[in-house]
Amino acid sequence: KAGVTQTPRYLIKTRGQQVTLSCSPISGHRSVSWYQQTPGQGLQFLFEYFSETQRNKGNFPGRFSGRQFSNSRSEMNVSTLELGDSALYLCASGGLAGAGANVLTFGAGSRLTVL
Amino acid sequence: DQQVKQNSPSLSVQEGRISILNCDYTNSMFDYFLWYKKYPAEGPTFLISISSIKDKNEDGRFTVFLNKSAKHLSLHIVPSQPGDSAVYFCAASVDFNKFYFGSGTKLNVKP
Repeated sequence: KAGVTQTPRYLIKTRGQQVTLSCSPISGHRSVSWYQQTPGQGLQFLFEYFSETQRNKGNFPGRFSGRQFSNSRSEMNVSTLELGDSALYLCASGGLAGAGANVLTFGAGSRLTVL
Repeated sequence: DQQVKQNSPSLSVQEGRISILNCDYTNSMFDYFLWYKKYPAEGPTFLISISSIKDKNEDGRFTVFLNKSAKHLSLHIVPSQPGDSAVYFCAASVDFNKFYFGSGTKLNVKP
């Protein structure tokens, strides 16, 4: 069973540009969540999509947006990039794992550097 | 608004001894808790979970304890191994899909 796939793994952008990150969840999983990880801040929740609808949203500015397609693949977009947007962006697929525990399964992340 | 806190940024333990990682939360509505392990350049990996109807859950060397009255969660690793060296995150949820994560504790297990 393939895991969560995120592309690209690494990217460098300059301030003011925009970026689109992609996530393919585990086959059969309909929930996709996005998190931002910065040093010392842990994982900050961005948003969660289920069946193409945004079901939950974190406390991030409107420059951060996302969407989910009918095949459950998801994209997130950050416009007008700022230096503080440099982070590891993690996508998580929601569903059962192991002994029936409902967990998030994470991809390897997309490392964004804003110069 | 940090609803889940891991107050120890780092922990160093000798191989074979017990590692205890702690986590505190503020929202009494949280009813599901998880622990993740993260190696550099990889996404977090699920370790163990616990529902609020339990106070303990074991899986091999890993045991999670939940003290609801204290709003405190801990992960015990016994015996600790060098391969356990990683950053550990605790997470809590009300509805299974919006998880609040702590800032992580970096565990170093010395051979």
